Amino acid sequence: KQEVTQIPAALSVPEGENLVLNCSFTDSAIYNLQWFRQDPGKGLTSLLLIQSSQREQTSGRLNASLDKSSGRSTLYIAASQPGDSATYLCAVRRVETSGSRLTFGEGTQLTVNP
Amino acid sequence: GAGVSQTPSNKVTEKGKYVELRCDPISGHTALYWYRQSLGQGPEFLIYFQGTGAADDSGLPNDRFFAVRPEGSVSTLKIQRTERGDSAMYLCASSYGQGSTDTQYFGPGTRLTVL
Repeated sequence: KQEVTQIPAALSVPEGENLVLNCSFTDSAIYNLQWFRQDPGKGLTSLLLIQSSQREQTSGRLNASLDKSSGRSTLYIAASQPGDSATYLCAVRRVETSGSRLTFGEGTQLTVNP
Repeated sequence: GAGVSQTPSNKVTEKGKYVELRCDPISGHTALYWYRQSLGQGPEFLIYFQGTGAADDSGLPNDRFFAVRPEGSVSTLKIQRTERGDSAMYLCASSYGQGSTDTQYFGPGTRLTVL
């Protein structure tokens, strides 16, 4: 059974700092990995999707890496801003030929202080 | 274009009552997913539809939970004899359902509270 773990559970940083969020998964037979953002009481917004054959993806100040063999992914946020404050979730999709479930970690709650 | 929508946004009910939660996916998306998220946890998979049929319902916790998607678009999650432990955020997502770049787009969720 796939298990996804995110470390740390919570993180508080001053504005402008670069930071790294970690995600690990137990079964390396994944199809892809997604990072999501969730604001309090809201749904999920997809940030980045990395296919199993890729090593990293970038969008603006965000960079996500994937090391499938070791079961790890990181989300790097550059020059953090108060508006980045949210919970960040990683999720993996198992190997399938069509759509299937995502298995989520418990998230990292990020607070960026002005 | 319009994203995934869910109604109601909040639902408060009493223990033992029946509830229905609705999801309108993005037009053209053939795959639809339901997840449940308890406070402080990540979402947990409940059920996945491809078109009208439930392709994977292994995440439904028990037979009080049931979901339908009769015309391959709107889906309804039905919970019978609600229990306090059913209180959670219920999230719906949709996708095209094909390929390694397939992204699931989530709705805003329905917050269910069972008193």
